Amino acid sequence: EVQLLESGGGLVQSGGSLRLSCAASGFTFSTYAMSWIRQAPGKGLEWVSAISGSGGSTYYADSVKGRFTISRDKSKSSLFLQMNSLRAEDTALYYCAKKAAAGTGGYYFDYWGQGTLVTVSS
Amino acid sequence: SYELTQPPSVSVSPGQTASITCSGDKLGDKYACWYQQKPGQSPVLVIYQDSKRPSGIPERFSGSNSGNTATLTISGTQAMDEADYYCQAWDSSISYVFGSGTKVTVL
Repeated sequence: EVQLLESGGGLVQSGGSLRLSCAASGFTFSTYAMSWIRQAPGKGLEWVSAISGSGGSTYYADSVKGRFTISRDKSKSSLFLQMNSLRAEDTALYYCAKKAAAGTGGYYFDYWGQGTLVTVSS
Repeated sequence: SYELTQPPSVSVSPGQTASITCSGDKLGDKYACWYQQKPGQSPVLVIYQDSKRPSGIPERFSGSNSGNTATLTISGTQAMDEADYYCQAWDSSISYVFGSGTKVTVL
């Protein structure tokens, strides 16, 4: 059974930093690209960042580029999101999600975690 | 930037058909998928690659994608289908993009 368990969220002041983690199990972690997706309170879904299965390629939304860094640890089957220079508009529930399959037909997410809440106070 | 536009809300009577649209420039040239999100829960994939249903998703959920519009159709809508629905697409120039979301109310 695929499981994704996020942690690391919390309350931080504007300009501060947080590191989110996502522990994965139930699948061969290094085979699949992973993403972070966030949802501000009462709002829609926003893709934040993605990383390839090998970790060699990373991608970011313009809204977080230069402030957030995605990474993964194959030995721990874990995904991370280092968030620096946090702003009030980064306040959201952050989900980690597994890309469904390789190839251009697989750019969707078949498993999501329960999310970890990040609150940035101004 | 690329945008996917959905109606904010759709209302449907039990047993009737609900159609949710997702509009974007040349969306039909990309694959579209749909997620269902109930209050306090994580999104669940209900349609992928325009019209395919994941295992465990009821047959009443179907999808199509052509031109500038992708459509999620719920036939014989049930009270349990009341939720927010999001479309999503991917393109090498835009990466992942989600629609604005549609709240489906079963009256």
